[in-house]
Amino acid sequence: AQTVTQSQPEMSVQEAETVTLSCTYDTSESDYYLFWYKQPPSRQMILVIRQEAYKQQNATENRFSVNFQKAAKSFSLKISDSQLGDAAMYFCAYSGGSNYKLTFGKGTLLTVNP
Amino acid sequence: GAVVSQHPSRVICKSGTSVKIECRSLDFQATTMFWYRQFPKQSLMLMATSNEGSKATYEQGVEKDKFLINHASLTLSTLTVTSAHPEDSSFYICSASPGVGQPQHFGDGTRLSIL
Repeated sequence: AQTVTQSQPEMSVQEAETVTLSCTYDTSESDYYLFWYKQPPSRQMILVIRQEAYKQQNATENRFSVNFQKAAKSFSLKISDSQLGDAAMYFCAYSGGSNYKLTFGKGTLLTVNP
Repeated sequence: GAVVSQHPSRVICKSGTSVKIECRSLDFQATTMFWYRQFPKQSLMLMATSNEGSKATYEQGVEKDKFLINHASLTLSTLTVTSAHPEDSSFYICSASPGVGQPQHFGDGTRLSIL
C-alpha cells in the first residue's frame, strides 16, 4: 500500500522569507502523480501544485515550486516570498497511475509571521 | 469558480435524524467521486469511493449501513448519514476528478453537528 509521510507537523516562516515543507512517499508503482494541497482556516481544499512522476522537471507555480527526487521518493514544497495568506495546513498527496484515489499525508501547519 | 459543489455547508440536527449531503461536479462528468471525513487538526480520512451506476467501495472500518452512498448520475453523488448520533459529528468533504492523474477538485465541505 502507498504511504505518504510529512515529518513536520508545524512550520513557521517570516513574511517574505522562503520555507520548505517535506514529504516522502512509498510506492511500488512507476506511474503516479503527486500533489500539494492547501487548506486554510476556511477548510476549503485548494490545489497548490501537481507533479507527474514521469517528468523529471520540477513543477512550479508562481512562488511555489517542488523538489521532486524520484529515486529518493521525496517531494518537497518550496514557498518563496511567503505571504500572510500562505498560512494554512498543507497536505502532500499521492495518486497511483491507474487510479483516481488520493493518499494524503498527515499535514504540516504553516504559520507566517509578519 | 467552484467546479465541485457540496451542499449543505452546515447541518445541525437532533440525534436519530438522517442527513443527506450532495456533491455535484459542475464542469465535468465524474464516474468516480470520493467522500472524506476530517477531524479537527487531522488529515482527510477516505471513507468511500462512489462509483456511478454501481455500489460504492468502502474503506475498512466504515459502516456501509451508516453511511449510504448513491451515485445516480455522472455529476451527482450523495452521502446519507443514517440515524446520526453525536459521534458522527464531523467535517465531511467530497471530491471528484475529470480524469486519472488529474487533480481532485474538492467541495467546500459540510460541517455536521449532531445534538
